[in-house]
Amino acid sequence: NAGVMQNPRHLVRRRGQEARLRCSPMKGHSHVYWYRQLPEEGLKFMVYLQKENIIDESGMPKERFSAEFPKEGPSILRIQQVVRGDSAAYFCASSPRTGNDSPLHFGNGTRLTVT
Amino acid sequence: AQSVSQHNHHVILSEAASLELGCNYSYGGTVNLFWYVQYPGQHLQLLLKYFSGDPLVKGIKGFEAEFIKSKFSFNLRKPSVQWSDTAEYFCAVNAGVSYGGATNKLIFGTGTLLAVQP
Repeated sequence: NAGVMQNPRHLVRRRGQEARLRCSPMKGHSHVYWYRQLPEEGLKFMVYLQKENIIDESGMPKERFSAEFPKEGPSILRIQQVVRGDSAAYFCASSPRTGNDSPLHFGNGTRLTVT
Repeated sequence: AQSVSQHNHHVILSEAASLELGCNYSYGGTVNLFWYVQYPGQHLQLLLKYFSGDPLVKGIKGFEAEFIKSKFSFNLRKPSVQWSDTAEYFCAVNAGVSYGGATNKLIFGTGTLLAVQP
């Protein structure tokens, strides 16, 4: 039973380029969460999606960041025109549903470096 | 706004020493509490969770945590650590339960890096 799969593991982009981070949730999971971990900080919530819907994007920066979770395929976190401050580890988590008996399962993360 | 504080950023222990990592949260309503562990190069794994009932929660690998509502605390403990416990430990709270648990959105502390020396 494969866990949450994120790719790539490491991504290097120059300032101004676009970064696309992919997350395939665990089989049977339809809820996806994205978190960002900046150096020396904890994980910060970014966005919560269900299939084809953004439920909560209160943690997303207002510009350059977007997320989707299409009916088919992985969830994508897209960062346009990256800047050095976007360098961080981005973690995806999934759950089959909401509720107390459904804790989050995390992927290995994508480490984005902006040069 | 809800927040989680982990007071120890770096902890160094010798094998067989006892461990206690502090976690305090700020939220006045019903909460679910979690401890996650991240071993070097790996993803976050759930150590234990508290939803309701017995405030002393036992998790995997000999870890336990005690929920003290009056202190807004959920400290993690292990009586005797091993070298393999070297990892980063994150406390987290889900404060969405007062709204019918409509989200599993977690708020994390900044983490505690534990190094166990053999």
